[in-house]
Amino acid sequence: EPEVTQTPSHQVTQMGQEVILRCVPISNHLYFYWYRQILGQKVEFLVSFYNNEISEKSEIFDDQFSVERPDGSNFTLKIRSTKLEDSAMYFCASSMTLYGYTFGSGTRLTVV
Amino acid sequence: ELKVEQNPLFLSMQEGKNYTIYCNYSTTSDRLYWYRQDPGKSLESLFVLLSNGAVKQEGRLMASLDTKARLSTLHITAAVHDLSATYFCAVGSEGGSQGNLIFGKGTKLSVKP
Repeated sequence: EPEVTQTPSHQVTQMGQEVILRCVPISNHLYFYWYRQILGQKVEFLVSFYNNEISEKSEIFDDQFSVERPDGSNFTLKIRSTKLEDSAMYFCASSMTLYGYTFGSGTRLTVV
Repeated sequence: ELKVEQNPLFLSMQEGKNYTIYCNYSTTSDRLYWYRQDPGKSLESLFVLLSNGAVKQEGRLMASLDTKARLSTLHITAAVHDLSATYFCAVGSEGGSQGNLIFGKGTKLSVKP
């Protein structure tokens, strides 16, 4: 069964550093998303991406964040100047339509 | 603003018992999802409910949707230990949103022998 692949599985970074989280969505999917889950809390929407541009973003997704689909297969989330409160599990998801999502296994980001 | 509330947030059950998890949402939606999450793992899709009165069953789990009441239920029949996990409902915003989901806080289910 096709999978959404995320790398790395765990990233530790110092406060103030930039990180790039990588995702390879399912190849024929058209919609791409990033969500995050702070430990023990609910899953929160960050951003959706369609047709090579951001289609929707949440209040969380401020100027510190950016997304890119650099080469037609990868989908990246860049977090600039990381803060302690950015520590969370970040999930990438993709879908062919608006009705079925496949989530990746997540990247656990720890900011120290 | 779409809000999603689940209850209970914690549920301790004995094996063999039945129970229901409730998911209420605040505005109209055209799709509702149930996911399972094991500790430290990703979100596993359980059900997608797209219409009023939709009912889906898989094994010991059955999900239903009442769009008029803005309520979905996840019913657990004869619970077994393997069902221990956190269950999330998630609702899609109606009317053209490019697919983002609003999640409930999750119900942490623990099934004890």
